[in-house]
Amino acid sequence: DTAVSQTPKYLVTQMGNDKSIKCEQNLGHDTMYWYKQDSKKFLKIMFSYNNKELIINETVPNRFSPKSPDKAHLNLHINSLELGDSAVYFCASSQSIGTGLYGYTFGSGTRLTVV
Amino acid sequence: AQSVAQPEDQVNVAEGNPLTVKCTYSVSGNPYLFWYVQYPNRGLQFLLKYITGDNLVKGSYGFEAEFNKSQTSFHLKKPSALVSDSALYFCAVRPGSGNTGKLIFGQGTTLQVKP
Repeated sequence: DTAVSQTPKYLVTQMGNDKSIKCEQNLGHDTMYWYKQDSKKFLKIMFSYNNKELIINETVPNRFSPKSPDKAHLNLHINSLELGDSAVYFCASSQSIGTGLYGYTFGSGTRLTVV
Repeated sequence: AQSVAQPEDQVNVAEGNPLTVKCTYSVSGNPYLFWYVQYPNRGLQFLLKYITGDNLVKGSYGFEAEFNKSQTSFHLKKPSALVSDSALYFCAVRPGSGNTGKLIFGQGTTLQVKP
């Protein structure tokens, strides 16, 4: 059983389109995150949710909108895609907002290519 | 500003030799420190963490890391490298104050182990 699963794994789309990436965790964790990994492999947090409540919104353009229907799911919707949005997007979860004891569990990533 | 630095983009080591991947940090409070490994086209996998206690922590796959508070460092080590250790390694820190669950990642170090 995959602990944190993301779909799709690959996404190629044209500029200006709207797309969504889905994330689900079956670990019973309370907190979920979206991270962006750019072409230089740098990882930067975008959002975090704790029990469906937004905790972190890290100066991400308004075109990005996370949605958490329940604590096991955190989806990422992106409007009006731009070339600079091309990256690998990772979903992660942690047992609680205090990651200190257990750290994160990551999904395998979604490689988004905007053409 | 809170940050994590991995000063080497790449570390090359021969199989069987000891390896060190360096990490230094600058955060408020008493940090929680982590190492993750990323294999090609995969998500990040947890290797080890330091929360408190013994400065030398042991983790998965024979890796260990030493916390040095005075030097604000958390270098990753392994006594004898394997070719299969070749991957991208990330140091991460959770600041000790203002707990939001956020992890700050270093820029990553590619480890290349040659036979």
